[in-house]
Formats: sequence, C-alpha cells, structure tokens
Amino acid sequence: GAVVSQHPSRVICKSGTSVKIECRSLDFQATTMFWYRQFPKQSLMLMATSNEGSKATYEQGVEKDKFLINHASLTLSTLTVTSAHPEDSSFYICSAPPWNLRTGTTGGYTFGSGTRLTVV
Amino acid sequence: EDQVTQSPEALRLQEGESSSLNCSYTVSGLRGLFWYRQDPGKGPEFLFTLYSAGEEKEKERLKATLTKKESFLHITAPKPEDSATYLCAVQVRNQGGKLIFGQGTELSVKP
Repeated sequence: GAVVSQHPSRVICKSGTSVKIECRSLDFQATTMFWYRQFPKQSLMLMATSNEGSKATYEQGVEKDKFLINHASLTLSTLTVTSAHPEDSSFYICSAPPWNLRTGTTGGYTFGSGTRLTVV
Repeated sequence: EDQVTQSPEALRLQEGESSSLNCSYTVSGLRGLFWYRQDPGKGPEFLFTLYSAGEEKEKERLKATLTKKESFLHITAPKPEDSATYLCAVQVRNQGGKLIFGQGTELSVKP
C-alpha cells in the first residue's frame, strides 16, 4: 500500500533556530500533501495544504512566514519551522490523499509517522 | 460551520466487553467519513472509509456504520491490543480534499 515516510521522528532544537521536516511518498506520487499539528491529548489541526509546483495554502491563523512549506517534487514535501520558539513544540504529521497503485484511489489518506518537535 | 464531535472522550473496558464509539458530524456536504486508530507518538493508521448513509464496513473486531448525522465504531470483544485513540474525520465536498477531525476517543482495554 501507499507509504509516507516522515523524518525526523524526534527533534530538539534551541529557541530561534529553524527545523526542517520531510515527508516522502515512497511508492506513489503525491501531488498534494496535508500538514497537521497535534498538541497532547488533542486532535489533529490542519495547518496547510501543499501542492507540487505551486504555493501552499495555509489555514486561517497559521503564520506563513513561520511555517514554510515546499513541495518541490511529486515525492517530497517539506515543512520548515523558522525561528522556533517553545510554543511551537508539538507533534507534526503529514498526510497524502487516497491513492491506489491500480485504480488511482484508496479508501484512506496515508499519514506519516509524525515528528515530535521540542524547542528549548 | 463544519464540525465533528466524538464521544465519549475516554472509554475504559474490560477485555471482552463490547461497546461503541460515536462520531457526530455537521457538514455542508459529506464526501467521506474516515476512522483512524492512533497509538501514542505515532501517526494515524487507516481503518475505514464510509461514503453514504447505511454503509457498513468490518475489520476483525471493528465495525463501522454511517447515518446522515453520525457514525459508530462498534468494538466486539475487545482485547488489550485494541487500546488506542480512535479518530473520526470527515472530508467535505469542495474543500480541496482536506479532513476535519474530531477530538478522538481514548480507548483503554484492561485484561
């Protein structure tokens, strides 16, 4: 089935530095990737939608200059948290829409394994 | 406003004690309803997609059903390994494919 590989799984960074998170579609081409953040004991909140070859679409309230999203190829989408602060500490997850090797559609969106970001 | 609400927030069961999780939704146009399982520190794992009222799907001890206003995830004779957070999400028509998630139900099954 479709697999999305997300790296790193954990990262600790100093306040003010930038962190890049990568999501790769391993056995299919993902023209769209959704980026979520999840706080402890809370559900997933959509941050932005990236589309290969075009600018990302951000949800209301998400700072575009802080969360830079790039979808440079059909298999790679990245999220860069710039000038990170402790309040950016969270669990970040990417997701690709349904895709099937044979028919072009699957039943469910495929999620990456998540990245735990801790800003100290 | 499109909204998804799950209940209960937490559910504790004894092994073998069957129960149901609820997902109520209010959306402008439902394209699909998804159930996911999420273990701590991991990404959601796909369980089911339901597209229309009356549809049912089963997988091992899990069965998902859908009406025009809600979905149920029935767990029959659960085992401790079924312990996880179960997430419900809806895809709304004409919203670019994004999902709206409920807050999840944290299930704990004790032996």
